[in-house]
Amino acid sequence: AQSVAQPEDQVNVAEGNPLTVKCTYSVSGNPYLFWYVQYPNRGLQFLLKYITGDNLVKGSYGFEAEFNKSQTSFHLKKPSALVSDSALYFCAVRDEGNRLAFGKGNQVVVIP
Amino acid sequence: KAGVTQTPRYLIKTRGQQVTLSCSPISGHRSVSWYQQTPGQGLQFLFEYFSETQRNKGNFPGRFSGRQFSNSRSEMNVSTLELGDSALYLCASSLGPGAMNTEAFFGQGTRLTVV
Repeated sequence: AQSVAQPEDQVNVAEGNPLTVKCTYSVSGNPYLFWYVQYPNRGLQFLLKYITGDNLVKGSYGFEAEFNKSQTSFHLKKPSALVSDSALYFCAVRDEGNRLAFGKGNQVVVIP
Repeated sequence: KAGVTQTPRYLIKTRGQQVTLSCSPISGHRSVSWYQQTPGQGLQFLFEYFSETQRNKGNFPGRFSGRQFSNSRSEMNVSTLELGDSALYLCASSLGPGAMNTEAFFGQGTRLTVV
C-alpha cells in the first residue's frame, strides 16, 4: 500500500532562512505526489504536485519541491521563509484507488 | 469558480446523537472524498464517492456512512456519536479516478465537537 513519511514533527526556521520540509514515500507504480498547507481551523490548500517530468517542481507562494526517485523523497523547499509560512504542511501520495494517503504533517514555525 | 463548500462549519452534538455533514464539490468534479482529522491520528481517509457510488472505504466503523447525489454533492452521516468522533471533517473534490494526475481541492471543513 502507498504511504508517506514525514519524519519531523516540527521545523523551526528563522525568517529569511531557507525552509525544508522532508517527505519520503512508498508506492508501487508511478508516484503522484502532492504538498498541501493548512492554516489553523482551515482546510488544506494545494501547493504543488509531481506527476512526471522535471524533478524540480515549482508551486504557489514561492515553494518548490525536489523529486528524487532513487531516495524516494519529495522534499518541500522555500529559499527564504516568511513568518506567514508558519502552518501545518502535509505530503501526500495518490494510490491506484484515487485515495490520497497523507503523512502525519509537519508544523513549520518561522521565527521573526 | 466556486470552491468546495462544506456545511455547517461548526457543530456541537451530544453523545448518542447523529449528525449529517454536507459537501458541495467544485463544478465539474465528480469525485468527493471525506477525511477525518484529529491531533492524534492525523488525516484519515473515510470514503470516496464517484458517480453516486462508493468506490473506496477507510477503516472506520459502520456508524460512519455517506452518499452522493446526482449533482455530485455528498453527505456523510455519523450515528450514535462518541466523544472520540470529535474532529475536523474535511471534504475533498476532484475530477475522478481517471484523472489521478490532478490535485484534489479541500473545503474548509466541519468542526464537530461531541460532548
